[in-house]
Amino acid sequence: DTAVSQTPKYLVTQMGNDKSIKCEQNLGHDTMYWYKQDSKKFLKIMFSYNNKELIINETVPNRFSPKSPDKAHLNLHINSLELGDSAVYFCASRRGQGSTEAFFGQGTRLTVV
Amino acid sequence: GQNIDQPTEMTATEGAIVQINCTYQTSGFNGLFWYQQHAGEAPTFLSYNVLDGLEEKGRFSSFLSRSKGYSYLLLKELQMKDSASYLCAVNTGFQKLVFGTGTRLLVSP
Repeated sequence: DTAVSQTPKYLVTQMGNDKSIKCEQNLGHDTMYWYKQDSKKFLKIMFSYNNKELIINETVPNRFSPKSPDKAHLNLHINSLELGDSAVYFCASRRGQGSTEAFFGQGTRLTVV
Repeated sequence: GQNIDQPTEMTATEGAIVQINCTYQTSGFNGLFWYQQHAGEAPTFLSYNVLDGLEEKGRFSSFLSRSKGYSYLLLKELQMKDSASYLCAVNTGFQKLVFGTGTRLLVSP
């Protein structure tokens, strides 16, 4: 069973469209994240939720709206897509904090044309 | 702000030893992680340090000096499959895991 799963794996869409990426973890973790990895492979934190509550919002444009219906799911909705949104988006989850490592989903490669 | 710096790229030969450095200046510190990421795949956990010193795990070891804001990942007996990106990440507190710039390692025969 996949621990952290994201859908879709690939997403190609036109500028101006609205799209969503879904993430689910079956590890029983309390904390979930969204990261953006650009073409230079820099992994930048976007959001973090703990038990469905938003705890980190890293000055991401408000076109990006995360939603956590329960602690096993964290979805990312993006409005009015722009060319610069093209990247790989990774979901991750973690139990609490401190010494526990984060587990990553396989990533969603978003291409905006 | 958070600064976590790594060399962009390194090359090494199969069977050799390579050391990948990470220096950090962060608003908080609650541990440092190393991750490996193969092209087109997700990052996977390698090691964790929260106290000063060396942690050994098979062919991989990681070192931390909190007073110097410095860590390194040591890879021994390099294999071709070790060609990947290596990411240093600092837990800055409040469950915030901030990643460094990443180092792409190329292992040649």
